Amino acid sequence: AQTVTQSQPEMSVQEAETVTLSCTYDTSESNYYLFWYKQPPSRQMILVIRQEAYKQQNATENRFSVNFQKAAKSFSLKISDSQLGDTAMYFCAFMKHGYGGSQGNLIFGKGTKLSVKP
Amino acid sequence: KAGVTQTPRYLIKTRGQQVTLSCSPISGHRSVSWYQQTPGQGLQFLFEYFSETQRNKGNFPGRFSGRQFSNSRSEMNVSTLELGDSALYLCASSNVVYEQYFGPGTRLTVT
Repeated sequence: AQTVTQSQPEMSVQEAETVTLSCTYDTSESNYYLFWYKQPPSRQMILVIRQEAYKQQNATENRFSVNFQKAAKSFSLKISDSQLGDTAMYFCAFMKHGYGGSQGNLIFGKGTKLSVKP
Repeated sequence: KAGVTQTPRYLIKTRGQQVTLSCSPISGHRSVSWYQQTPGQGLQFLFEYFSETQRNKGNFPGRFSGRQFSNSRSEMNVSTLELGDSALYLCASSNVVYEQYFGPGTRLTVT
């Protein structure tokens, strides 16, 4: 069974600074995907970034980037130039490759509550 | 393109009743997944539907069921509600690119 662990329940960062959220996972699968989702107080779950396990290059989306270490099963999220709107719960998630049209299911970590302070 | 929509947004039910939640995926998305979010258990997968067939199921009792229609819209049903079923129920739709997009959720309160 796959597991996802986020060891930082809460973090805070000053506006405009950089913060890194940690995530480790455990799996015996070789073909899978990793995600970071953001859930602000509105509770709307928003996809931040996606990483395919077969890609060595780390994914980047504007101010968000990941450090994917496949051998160490580590998948951290770096937020640069933090903004007040980045305040949210951040979830790391794992999905194994599906077959026959199935997308498979997301397995989530417990989340990290990030507060960006002015 | 319109996002995933869920109805109703809020619901209050009494123990023993049943409830039906609805989810309309993003146009063109054929896969719909349901998740339950609670403070204690976090986010847990309920089931996934693709082409009107249940493809995956999480570890939930048989009181939780779902279906998908030919237009990809999905419903989930919970029968004989228990207090522990109080949760935010999230629906997500996806295409073939392995990205799930979530709706705003239905907040269910069981009293």
